[in-house]
Parts: sequence; C-alpha cells; structure tokens
Amino acid sequence: DSGVTQTPKHLITATGQRVTLRCSPRSGDLSVYWYQQSLDQGLQFLIQYYNGEERAKGNILERFSAQQFPDLHSELNLSSLELGDSALYFCASSSRLASYEQYFGPGTRLTVT
Amino acid sequence: GQQVMQIPQYQHVQEGEDFTTYCNSSTTLSNIQWYKQRPGGHPVFLIQLVKSGEVKKQKRLTFQFGEAKKNSSLHITATQTTDVGTYFCAGPGSGGSNYKLTFGKGTLLTVNP
Repeated sequence: DSGVTQTPKHLITATGQRVTLRCSPRSGDLSVYWYQQSLDQGLQFLIQYYNGEERAKGNILERFSAQQFPDLHSELNLSSLELGDSALYFCASSSRLASYEQYFGPGTRLTVT
Repeated sequence: GQQVMQIPQYQHVQEGEDFTTYCNSSTTLSNIQWYKQRPGGHPVFLIQLVKSGEVKKQKRLTFQFGEAKKNSSLHITATQTTDVGTYFCAGPGSGGSNYKLTFGKGTLLTVNP
C-alpha cells in the first residue's frame, strides 16, 4: 500500500460524457502527478500540481483539466469523452517539487463505451 | 521531444534464468529511475541512478547507468516467479519540463516455474 488513494476504482461511461477522478496523496506529500496508461501509448505524464499550483504539463488534452485543493487532494476532470480515452489513470505523489521517487495510487480504470 | 526506448518489449524466462532489460534515451539524462508494475498493479519505485557509470544492487537486481548517461540496464539474476511484472525506466524531462518523468514502454517479464 503506497498511501495514495484513488476513487473510483472503475468507471464506465458513454462517449460525450464528463467524469471526475479523485486522488488523495500520501500524508505530507505536496506534489501530485497524473498519468494515463494505455496499451499503445504506455505510461504518459499528464500534469503535476505542487501545493495547489500547476507546475508541469505533459500530453494532456484540452478536454482534460485538473486541480489540487487546499487539503492537497486532486481531481482530474475528463470531458467530451471519446472511446480512445479508455485507459488506466494513475495518480502519484511525492514530498518534493521535483522528485522522481513517486508513489503511485491503485489507479482508476476508465472505460468509455 | 525526449524519448526513452526500452528493449525487449517482452521476455519470457524459465525460473532460475537471468533477465536483462535495456533503456536508451535520445538525450543525456541527469538521472534515471526504474519502476516495477506487477500485473493488475501500479508502478512501484525501485531505484534512482544519478552518477555516470553508477552501479547499484538490490539483492538479485543490478542496475547500471551508462558512462554517457544515455542508457541504463536492469539485470535480474536467477529469476523467481515473484519477479513477474513490467519493468519501466523513466527519465526526467528536459529544459523547463524537468519536473515530469518520461517513461519507457516497459519490458514485460514472465517467469515459467
């Protein structure tokens, strides 16, 4: 158990819909990272927040957005969903701003039908 | 952009055989990380290498960072069924995006008991 929690574990929704994935980092960690894992693209970095501020952006689509709240939990919002958005979405956390030792949550499996 | 390539994509071994996965970056890396993901699980941090030519060992696992800091390898001696999973290398982004990690596609190791 990494100490990072993610909800829900599974999500099935239809194309065009909007969903919100939630992540609670390890106690004391200020950095939260979001990743998308699919069979063809592998593990792709989406976005990082540190203490409430966006600090790095990866291959995140404009239909996706995220935020980190004062209690440090984070949410990833995915809208106008397409079939190709079906993937595992991981949240990870670390204590420092630039840390490559990241602790991953169990992930949310999103299926878009 | 930066690319991190891993070979082989898959490796099947008999229990007791050795295993090696290789990671190559298109750019010089300041450091490199290795993660392991068990089937159905989430990535787990294994180690970070920072120095040119660095070699680190964790029990039966040996990690190396190339002299030019553009390649790395993970070698497992006498594999066990508990070694099954996907092994990823990951390097930091370059320039202003050095907070993010770029993951290789991973090597899936299966072990026949």
